[in-house]
Amino acid sequence: GAGVSQSPRYKVAKRGQDVALRCDPISGHVSLFWYQQALGQGPEFLTYFQNEAQLDKSGLPSDRFFAERPEGSVSTLKIQRTQQEDSAVYLCASSPLMMVNTEAFFGQGTRLTVV
Amino acid sequence: ILNVEQSPQSLHVQEGDSTNFTCSFPSSNFYALHWYRWETAKSPEALFVMTLNGDEKKKGRISATLNTKEGYSYLYIKGSQPEDSATYLCASSGYSTLTFGKGTMLLVSP
Repeated sequence: GAGVSQSPRYKVAKRGQDVALRCDPISGHVSLFWYQQALGQGPEFLTYFQNEAQLDKSGLPSDRFFAERPEGSVSTLKIQRTQQEDSAVYLCASSPLMMVNTEAFFGQGTRLTVV
Repeated sequence: ILNVEQSPQSLHVQEGDSTNFTCSFPSSNFYALHWYRWETAKSPEALFVMTLNGDEKKKGRISATLNTKEGYSYLYIKGSQPEDSATYLCASSGYSTLTFGKGTMLLVSP
């Protein structure tokens, strides 16, 4: 596709439910990032992939959060046993190379509401 | 400065006003400074990526400057228009990630 695509756009989950958020990066982009943006905050780093390798997962807030990118393209962010504090917009971004001086291309995000 | 900080948090100006925002970032281990514009219901869109001290970039009515020694960047909008209304995010690039500020929310009234 022309840009980064995320699905679903909106997700309402009952507390305790597992959810899976999908990111389709721009074809050929090596780097893929997940960010979490809570209301009133800037995006907070969750995890980074270079191709299929998860090089940095230091931002994942708990072991209920898990991300994968098995074939180096599509990525899935899974949240188990969702809690109300997980309610946020989850942004995915990709870039052709390392992030240092290349712009990142973002998807529109998935807004997760846990009720 | 340990984190990326932006000010003001929000700004309301009239059409035609010029405005500017500030981004402060850690000056150690600096790689690059990014500015993004995030309009409601859209994807954040890159405005500028700057790496060198003294860099100044311009895109239409929007420009940005960078001071890596003191750890700050300014974003300027000349003659604001209602379509400039958005959240402006800055981010400092590390080796494998971007660290974002909380953003400046700009509202331009006709």
